Amino acid sequence: DAKTTQPPSMDCAEGRAANLPCNHSTISGNEYVYWYRQIHSQGPQYIIHGLKNNETNEMASLIITEDRKSSTLILPHATLRDTAVYYCIVRVRNTGNQFYFGTGTSLTVIP
Amino acid sequence: GAVVSQHPSWVICKSGTSVKIECRSLDFQATTMFWYRQFPKQSLMLMATSNEGSKATYEQGVEKDKFLINHASLTLSTLTVTSAHPEDSSFYICSARVTANNEQFFGPGTRLTVL
Repeated sequence: DAKTTQPPSMDCAEGRAANLPCNHSTISGNEYVYWYRQIHSQGPQYIIHGLKNNETNEMASLIITEDRKSSTLILPHATLRDTAVYYCIVRVRNTGNQFYFGTGTSLTVIP
Repeated sequence: GAVVSQHPSWVICKSGTSVKIECRSLDFQATTMFWYRQFPKQSLMLMATSNEGSKATYEQGVEKDKFLINHASLTLSTLTVTSAHPEDSSFYICSARVTANNEQFFGPGTRLTVL
């Protein structure tokens, strides 16, 4: 079962930073936070994951609160191509377990 | 990252017919693959876990006799929707777990329309 809550939708102006929040108050000590996104009619695309430290890659940054009960995905300069549904998932890494998707946040980047 | 393909990307069939969807890991071995279903404006719902050389494990509420899964090799899993009906129309997505490091990658999805 999904263990995260996200706002159903958000808008962001093109070129501005998009900050997508996620609550995971029941996260266990060995569970990672994963972020995927799904552009319409495509398969989910991996963005980033982290355990407790903040992470950054070429796509985004992940900020995890000290108590690990929430996190924020940051797209530093949103483009129209970033319009998608963003899913935050908690999962124990390297167990091969399946992903359980929540409802996600539909991000619309506005020109 | 590793590549997962699905075939076909879309299919239209008549009610009562069976449809087979393939999921392939192109550059890695996948002992385990997962099948998801997604209805319009909804999230992905896990249907079953496909294990190479053994029977699939189905999620509660998913009919194993209707959604036949075969994982005959380390790079291929198939999902057959038997006696398809319009309510089976959906977007079917697979993911494959890399045997070497347990990371997972998703396929592009297959859109099934049953008339």
